[in-house]
Amino acid sequence: EVQLLESGGGLVQPGGSLRLSCAASGFTFSSYAMSWVRQTPEKGLEWVSAISGSGANTYYADSVRGRFTISRDNSKNTLSLQMNSLRAEDTAIYYCAKIPKVTRFLEYSFDYWGQGTLVTVSS
Amino acid sequence: QSALTQPRSVSGSPGQSVTISCTGTSSDVGGYDYVSWYQQHPGKAPKLMIYDVTKRPSGVPDRFSASRSDNTASLTISGLQAEDEADYYCFSYAGSYTLVFGGGTKLTVL
Repeated sequence: EVQLLESGGGLVQPGGSLRLSCAASGFTFSSYAMSWVRQTPEKGLEWVSAISGSGANTYYADSVRGRFTISRDNSKNTLSLQMNSLRAEDTAIYYCAKIPKVTRFLEYSFDYWGQGTLVTVSS
Repeated sequence: QSALTQPRSVSGSPGQSVTISCTGTSSDVGGYDYVSWYQQHPGKAPKLMIYDVTKRPSGVPDRFSASRSDNTASLTISGLQAEDEADYYCFSYAGSYTLVFGGGTKLTVL
């Protein structure tokens, strides 16, 4: 059974940093691209970032590029999101999501999701 | 990249059919065969219902179907059931290594 468990959310001041983690199990982690998706009541779902199975290719939404860094440790089956220079508009529930076995970024969809971790950026 | 356009809400009675639209452009919905749809119940994570425009993952009831015409994708739910009441989001590649969701549609089963 595929399981994705996010952690690391919390309250942080504007300009601060936070690191999210996602522990994966139930599948061969290194064979699958992974992604982070966030959600707010106002804007709904927003794709944030994705990374290929090997970690060689990373992709970012314009809203986070240059501030967020996605990475993975295939030896520990863990996906991470380092978030720097946080803004109030980054406040959201952050989901870790698994991508089906596809080879091209444009084919990406999300077949399994974690339960999410809440990030609040406020002074 | 702007979000894809979905109606804010739709409704239907049990047993009826409803269709949720997702309008984009030729640079996203209309340009690639990779539209997917997600169902989300309150307080829960989204669930994949449709991928590659029309394909249903294993375990998704065949009451859920999807199509696309030009720059508009559609999700149709036939034989509405109470448990179908949820939010639905479309999703697509939008070119230039960008992915975009629709704004979401709240389905109410009357």
